[in-house]
Amino acid sequence: EAGVAQSPRYKIIEKRQSVAFWCNPISGHATLYWYQQILGQGPKLLIQFQNNGVVDDSQLPKDRFSAERLKGVDSTLKIQPAKLEDSAVYLCASSLTRGQSTDTQYFGPGTRLTVL
Amino acid sequence: DAKTTQPTSMDCAEGRAANLPCNHSTISGNEYVYWYRQIHSQGPQYIIHGLKNNETNEMASLIITEDRKSSTLILPHATLRDTAVYYCIVRVMEYGNKLVFGAGTILRVKS
Repeated sequence: EAGVAQSPRYKIIEKRQSVAFWCNPISGHATLYWYQQILGQGPKLLIQFQNNGVVDDSQLPKDRFSAERLKGVDSTLKIQPAKLEDSAVYLCASSLTRGQSTDTQYFGPGTRLTVL
Repeated sequence: DAKTTQPTSMDCAEGRAANLPCNHSTISGNEYVYWYRQIHSQGPQYIIHGLKNNETNEMASLIITEDRKSSTLILPHATLRDTAVYYCIVRVMEYGNKLVFGAGTILRVKS
């Protein structure tokens, strides 16, 4: 079974530029998550989708971050404009169902973003 | 905020058992304990989870105390490839069962 795919793996941009990350979850997984992981910290949830609808985006900085999952499968996360503090690894995860206490999340390898 | 407390780092000799402790004194009766690990430059990897009873799978064993206020993840025969950050997570129902990661424990397996 293929895992969660993410691209690109690495991205370097200058501040105020825009950037987009792509994620393809495990086939059949209804729920998709985007996390931000700053160096030395654990991942922090940015947004959770159930199929193509947003379940939780309470931690998403909506003035500069946006995400979509139009067909309920793959997803893109965009930052516009980027700030220095956005330098982090952006992780995508998926799970079969939604938010149940026994629902296991599977993570992709992440995209490492460096903002100069 | 994470509901767990873990040591910052631990060392373990290769081939020996690695015992990683976690305190979760405010856990509620229907909240699960999850363990993930993150090897350098990779995404977190699911290891095991449990509610009340001890659990074992091909990767590890999870021992939960009777009062459920703490647990221990056991890697029975640690190898160099087990060097990683290990996260103990309590899934909180009022947070929508989200995974709330703390800083975790850095486990260094040494030859």
